[in-house]
Amino acid sequence: EDQVTQSPEALRLQEGESSSLNCSYTVSGLRGLFWYRQDPGKGPEFLFTLYSAGEEKEKERLKATLTKKESFLHITAPKPEDSATYLCAVEVAGGSYIPTFGRGTSLIVHP
Amino acid sequence: ETGVTQSPTHLIKTRGQQVTLRCSSQSGHNTVSWYQQALGQGPQFIFQYYREEENGRGNFPPRFSGLQFPNYSSELNVNALELDDSALYLCASSPGEASYEQYFGPGTRLTVT
Repeated sequence: EDQVTQSPEALRLQEGESSSLNCSYTVSGLRGLFWYRQDPGKGPEFLFTLYSAGEEKEKERLKATLTKKESFLHITAPKPEDSATYLCAVEVAGGSYIPTFGRGTSLIVHP
Repeated sequence: ETGVTQSPTHLIKTRGQQVTLRCSSQSGHNTVSWYQQALGQGPQFIFQYYREEENGRGNFPPRFSGLQFPNYSSELNVNALELDDSALYLCASSPGEASYEQYFGPGTRLTVT
């Protein structure tokens, strides 16, 4: 069964304290891996899509990387406005376009 | 450019009742997907519609059904509501069949009592 596991479940950082969130996956073949940000009471906001191992994408203080077994979302010098839940999802190659989401990492950045 | 909108924002229903949730896709998007998100969980895929045809279905019973209209707006219908159906229901649209970039609406919070 395809699985997506995110860690840690929750993370508290001080403003400016860089860290990484992890998304590990076990799928038969990866079509794509997606990162989303979700603020409380709102729908997820698309951040990145990664397709193959070695790929990296950046947006402001966020950088997503992909290996054959996991993806990392690196947050450099975070600010309080980066506080949110970060969700990872994967789509399996060769099947229907059905993404499987992890449970998310809740990030709180203290000023 | 108008984003994805959903209605209503909140809804309270009684066990056994039926509910219809609505979604308007982002302009130019022909694919819509519906998700159920329980508190503290990631979104769970319910089904996807591409050009008015169901294009994939997750592990949800047949009492969860949907429609996509010619203007690509969509409805999610749930019959015989159960307490466990209480959740945030999210609609997402994308410009193509694959979910490469999905744009989510704000969700409908359904409470079943």
